[in-house]
Amino acid sequence: DADVTQTPRNRITKTGKRIMLECSQTKGHDRMYWYRQDPGLGLRLIYYSFDVKDINKGEISDGYSVSRQAQAKFSLSLESAIPNQTALYFCATQTGLTDTQYFGPGTRLTVL
Amino acid sequence: EDQVTQSPEALRLQEGESSSLNCSYTVSGLRGLFWYRQDPGKGPEFLFTLYSAGEEKEKERLKATLTKKESFLHITAPKPEDSATYLCAVQAPSNTGKLIFGQGTTLQVKP
Repeated sequence: DADVTQTPRNRITKTGKRIMLECSQTKGHDRMYWYRQDPGLGLRLIYYSFDVKDINKGEISDGYSVSRQAQAKFSLSLESAIPNQTALYFCATQTGLTDTQYFGPGTRLTVL
Repeated sequence: EDQVTQSPEALRLQEGESSSLNCSYTVSGLRGLFWYRQDPGKGPEFLFTLYSAGEEKEKERLKATLTKKESFLHITAPKPEDSATYLCAVQAPSNTGKLIFGQGTTLQVKP
């Protein structure tokens, strides 16, 4: 089984809809991150969490919210999706002991 | 402003033709530089972390090196299975864990 899983893997939704992307990990890592990837722009940080009670905004948090339900689960929500949120979304995890982040397989989101 | 620039954007090689990918960075104090490999439709896969100028890391046909301003990913005698997008990222010493990514180099190795 994969260490970091993301659901759904693909999602098509309409403008104005609320959508949640979920990330689960079995690596036992404390730190979790949400990134989005756009062609030509690389990956950019949306939110990050160092433990269940710690949530921090990244560089592009507007229009997004997150919930850290447990050490192993970190969800990203789009309250009212808009077309420019069409992108690949990746969850990553990290132990506090090293600097390496491990990425999930990604969710391809299309907002029509 | 912290920034990472990768070149070239795309690279086509014949099998066995060695080459290098470049990652230039500007960051106010480097905590670490990371190389990832990304296959189409998949998440980035960790390759290397480099921390100080002069450091080198190797894995199979790949070798990563670091200077004070840039990093190189050398690919020796590549095979078609090395075809992927290679991502470079830096981490500043703020301990937010934030990685600043370059836009990637897409490598295609033809048999």
